[in-house]
Amino acid sequence: EPEVTQTPSHQVTQMGQEVILRCVPISNHLYFYWYRQILGQKVEFLVSFYNNEISEKSEIFDDQFSVERPDGSNFTLKIRSTKLEDSAMYFCASSVSRFVGESTGELFFGEGSRLTVL
Amino acid sequence: AQRVTQPEKLLSVFKGAPVELKCNYSYSGSPELFWYVQYSRQRLQLLLRHISRESIKGFTADLNKGETSFHLKKPFAQEEDSAMYYCALNPGTYKYIFGTGTRLKVLA
Repeated sequence: EPEVTQTPSHQVTQMGQEVILRCVPISNHLYFYWYRQILGQKVEFLVSFYNNEISEKSEIFDDQFSVERPDGSNFTLKIRSTKLEDSAMYFCASSVSRFVGESTGELFFGEGSRLTVL
Repeated sequence: AQRVTQPEKLLSVFKGAPVELKCNYSYSGSPELFWYVQYSRQRLQLLLRHISRESIKGFTADLNKGETSFHLKKPFAQEEDSAMYYCALNPGTYKYIFGTGTRLKVLA
């Protein structure tokens, strides 16, 4: 069964460093997402991406964050200058459709990338 | 404001006992609601959606618009139901709004 894959599974970085988290969505999916979960808190929406552009972003997704689909398969999240508060589990997800009334609106999640900023 | 509230962080029940995981939402429109589950060392996955009105692994959830609730229920809990459960709302945009999650522990 196809799955969303994320790398790395865990990254430790120094404050101020740039981090790139990578995701390979399921191949026939059209919509891509990043979520994050700070330890003990809720899963928070960061950004969605469709047709090679950001379709929606949250207030968390400020100028320090960017997303890219550099080729036909990868979907990356870059944090330019990491802060302590960026420490979290980052989840990539993909879906065939955004129309949740259809069965294809289901989000498929990766296993997450744990980011630790020291 | 759009919000999902799961009041219980942890719910412990004995095997065979009924389970109810609470979820309340705040949304002025017609909501699309879901339950996602994360078993130990596995990824978040869809359990069920309100629009399907289905029962998955013995779980059901009914949307109550009057009480703005979407509680998850199972009449007889099994040990393999132990997991983290997240209620989620899609307000018709590109994003899902998740609750903080409830950890269900089913005791033998």
